[in-house]
Formats: sequence, C-alpha cells, structure tokens
Amino acid sequence: AQSVTQLDSHVSVSEGTPVLLRCNYSSSYSPSLFWYVQHPNKGLQLLLKYTSAATLVKGINGFEAEFKKSETSFHLTKPSAHMSDAAEYFCVVSASDTGRRALTFGSGTRLQVQP
Amino acid sequence: DTEVTQTPKHLVMGMTNKKSLKCEQHMGHRAMYWYKQKAKKPPELMFVYSYEKLSINESVPSRFSPECPNSSLLNLHLHALQPEDSALYLCASSHYRDTLNYGYTFGSGTRLTVV
Repeated sequence: AQSVTQLDSHVSVSEGTPVLLRCNYSSSYSPSLFWYVQHPNKGLQLLLKYTSAATLVKGINGFEAEFKKSETSFHLTKPSAHMSDAAEYFCVVSASDTGRRALTFGSGTRLQVQP
Repeated sequence: DTEVTQTPKHLVMGMTNKKSLKCEQHMGHRAMYWYKQKAKKPPELMFVYSYEKLSINESVPSRFSPECPNSSLLNLHLHALQPEDSALYLCASSHYRDTLNYGYTFGSGTRLTVV
C-alpha cells in the first residue's frame, strides 16, 4: 500500500522569502513522486516529478524538490516566493506494487503569499 | 496538442435533469480518468479507462455513468444527481505504460452545481 502525508495544511510566507512545503510518503516499492499545483477554480498542473533518476528535481516556476529515501520525504522548495505562487499544492505518489494506474494524493497545502 | 479539454466549464442542473460532461485529448494517451474534487479537498478517483475499457470503478453511484467512445474522448453522463454531488469534476489522461513516470495531464475541470 502507499500513502502520502502533507505535514502542513496551510503555509503563509512573505513575497521574496523562501517556500518550504513538506511531504512524507509511504510505499512498499520504489515510488514515483509528483507535485501538482492548483490555482483557484482551475485544474491541476504538474510542477515536477521524481522517477528514480536524480534525487534533486527541478520543476517549473523555480520550484525544486529533493527525494530523501532515508527520511521518506519529498519536500517542495522555492528560494523566493512570488504572489502568483499562492495556490493549493498536492504531493502525489505512484508505486508499481498497486497494479493500478491511479495516483494517491496528499490532502493538500494551501500556500498564501503576503505582499 | 498537450492539453486535456473539458466542456462545459460550468454546469447547473436540477435533480431530475440528464446532462453529460465531455473530455477530449489528442496526445495519444490510452488511459483516461474521472476525478471528483470537493472544496478544499484533494481529488478523489471515480473511474479509470484503459484502452477504451473501464478498468477501475471506485464504487461510484450509478447516477454517474462513464463512457469512452474512442481513444480521444471520455464522457460522464449524469442523471438524478443530488445536491451533494456538486463539485469540480476533473478529467485526466496519461500514457498507459508510463503513468508511473509521467503522471497525468489534467483538464481544467467542470464546476457542477446541483440544485
């Protein structure tokens, strides 16, 4: 079985300061991990993905995530927040043990960016 | 074309109405999905189609009826819905064999309100 836990339901930062959104996963097999972003009343956009290549993954809009197997974590970071980053962020896991082609979503983290 | 297109964007329907949601992609993806997303919650899987055949039905009530008429189209037929069915309905698609590595491409969703 696989699961994903997003440790913060809400994160608030000031514009220009770093962003850290935390995600821990559980999987019996080597997982693939994703971060998706959802702006209000919009669909989900893929930010970045980890698929057993480099552990430091670079995504769109300056976001990065580091896969740490020993900590079962896949935290999302950005050096400097922009107002347009305000949105809901989902950490997602997929693992080959399930035989399913569906992904498991975390509960989401709402990022608020203050001017 | 790297998009999943959903129509309509907004739909208001009565509890006795019959309506359909439409999803279209031209990326050659052979897996397509319907998700339901309530406010401030992650998406919940409803149905998975693989090569135009229904492969997963997550115990969805029969008032929701999916259909995949060809490899590019996915429909969700709605009949006798309840107010609690009001939600954002998201369609997604993926490569069948590479779901684990590539994740999904999501549409922008249909905002459904049942009155």
